[in-house]
This record gives sequence, structure tokens and C-alpha cells, in this order.
Amino acid sequence: GENVEQHPSTLSVQEGDSAVIKCTYSDSASNYFPWYKQELGKRPQLIIDIRSNVGEKKDQRIAVTLNKTAKHFSLHITETQPEDSAVYFCAATYNFNKFYFGSGTKLNVKP
Amino acid sequence: DAGVIQSPRHEVTEMGQEVTLRCKPISGHDYLFWYRQTMMRGLELLIYFNNNVPIDDSGMPEDRFSAKMPNASFSTLKIQPSEPRDSAVYFCASTTFNYGYTFGSGTRLTVV
Repeated sequence: GENVEQHPSTLSVQEGDSAVIKCTYSDSASNYFPWYKQELGKRPQLIIDIRSNVGEKKDQRIAVTLNKTAKHFSLHITETQPEDSAVYFCAATYNFNKFYFGSGTKLNVKP
Repeated sequence: DAGVIQSPRHEVTEMGQEVTLRCKPISGHDYLFWYRQTMMRGLELLIYFNNNVPIDDSGMPEDRFSAKMPNASFSTLKIQPSEPRDSAVYFCASTTFNYGYTFGSGTRLTVV
């Protein structure tokens, strides 16, 4: 099955700086890559996703890039704010049912 | 839509007791998943259903765990008997083809 690795496990940035979280996947058939944000005590929520026919997608301060050849994808958050502090999970799937999650990145944005 | 609805939000039970967690998926979603989240193991997929049929239960840790989906709008995850190591947050999620998951609010289970 698919194996998704996520790095770093923790990330601390100053407010206003950028944050980048990287994931690699093993199955070249994977074609959908969502990112989830989980605030403390809350549910994971989908924040952005990318499909394999697209190399980059942006939504305001967040963007995701995909390199199919290298089998990795990244989440980019610009102009970070304290409310961006959370755990972020990447995932990959090739059939839109069973999603394989990374181990999570705890992002801390220092005011 | 009210989203994926889970109950109860919190459950505290004594070791050996039966625990039943409930989930109502989003209407029209044909996939339903049960996940367990702990600090040590992260998000673990326990089982998932497609059109009410269990497709993959390879993540169910032991025979003490069972899950059912009697109809498209309801699923249960049962632990009998419960043990302290079952303490975790249990999430239900649903989706349909071509979309990411929507998670419920989770049930925080504490077995003492």
C-alpha cells in the first residue's frame, strides 16, 4: 500500500514568516493530495488539496505544490499568523476512498 | 448540511464495559471511515464502508472492536470489553468520490 512520510514533525516560525511542510509518497498511482489542519481539541479540516494533473494550487496565504516525478508535495503558508498554529496533516490516495495520512506537523507561530 | 455528526462527544467508562460510538455521515456520501487518533500513533484507519458494506477492516486492532453500518445514515463502532489502552479520540469521516474527507467532531474515549 501507499506510504506517506511528512517532515518536519514540529516547526516553529515567527509571525509573518513563511512555513513549508513536505510530504513524500510511495505509490506513483496516487492522484489526489489533500492537506488538513487540526487545531487543539478539534477535528481535522480540509484546507487545500491538489490533483495529479496540476502542479500548484493557491488559496490566499496557502499554496500546495506537487512534483509527481519526485513523488513529493508541499504545503506553503506565507505571512504566518498565530491562528495558523495547529497540527497539519498531508494525505494521498489513488482511489478517493482509502486516504493515507502523514504523521503530522505541529506548527507554532510565535507572535 | 450539519456535517458528520458523532456522539457522544466524551465517554468515560470503566475497564471491561461495552462502549458504543455513533456516527451519522453527510447525506449523499457513500464512503464512511472510522479513525482512531492518539499522540503515539497519530491517525489510524480502523475500518471503512462503501455503500454500507465494510471494505477494509484490517486496521481494527482486535476482536474486541466491531463496526456496523445498517443504513446509509448511521454507523456504530463498538468496543467490548473496553481496556485502558483503547483511550483515544475516535473520528468518523465521510466522503464521496473525488472529494476529501469531512471529519466529525470526534468522541474522546477514556477507559479507567
